[in-house]
Amino acid sequence: RKEVEQDPGPFNVPEGATVAFNCTYSNSASQSFFWYRQDCRKEPKLLMSVYSSGNEDGRFTAQLNRASQYISLLIRDSKLSDSATYLCVVRGPSGSARQLTFGSGTQLTVLP
Amino acid sequence: DAGVTQSPTHLIKTRGQQVTLRCSPKSGHDTVSWYQQALGQGPQFIFQYYEEEERQRGNFPDRFSGHQFPNYSSELNVNALLLGDSALYLCASSLLAGTDTQYFGPGTRLTVL
Repeated sequence: RKEVEQDPGPFNVPEGATVAFNCTYSNSASQSFFWYRQDCRKEPKLLMSVYSSGNEDGRFTAQLNRASQYISLLIRDSKLSDSATYLCVVRGPSGSARQLTFGSGTQLTVLP
Repeated sequence: DAGVTQSPTHLIKTRGQQVTLRCSPKSGHDTVSWYQQALGQGPQFIFQYYEEEERQRGNFPDRFSGHQFPNYSSELNVNALLLGDSALYLCASSLLAGTDTQYFGPGTRLTVL
């Protein structure tokens, strides 16, 4: 079993749609959780951290359920510029030197 | 404020050769991590350097080695290249005593023929 598993893509949605990505992680001692965005042939960039209380940044909402070891990302009113690969990322427990474990990514294409 | 820089941007090698990739961390950062990203996959952790020492290592063979210099910059060396080493190699920098945020460089795309 992979340490971080994401929805298989690709997701093709029309502009203005709401799209949700899901992710599960296997290590219950994981400390920190993130969503990164990666454009084609570019480096990953931090989209947002994910907290147990849930957090929102504009059109983006992230949720964490530690009991289920489940992370989600919701994008509302999607824009053409949201087209990218979204990577679910987990940092291991204390002492793991901030090693990040990435999912394989979910590709999103927003269509005009 | 310069971000993370990597060189070269692209590299083509043949099987059996050796390669050295370079990374300069974001200003003020003291920790460098290296990742390998194969096509269609997420990045995989290779190792991390802090205070010029390898602090943690992922599941990569000894052919992969690294170094960190006093100015916090880092090198990744890969010996006896295999076709399967073709990938995007990403460097990420962070501040050990700071937040979890790691900032990635643009990567070096290595092709092994």
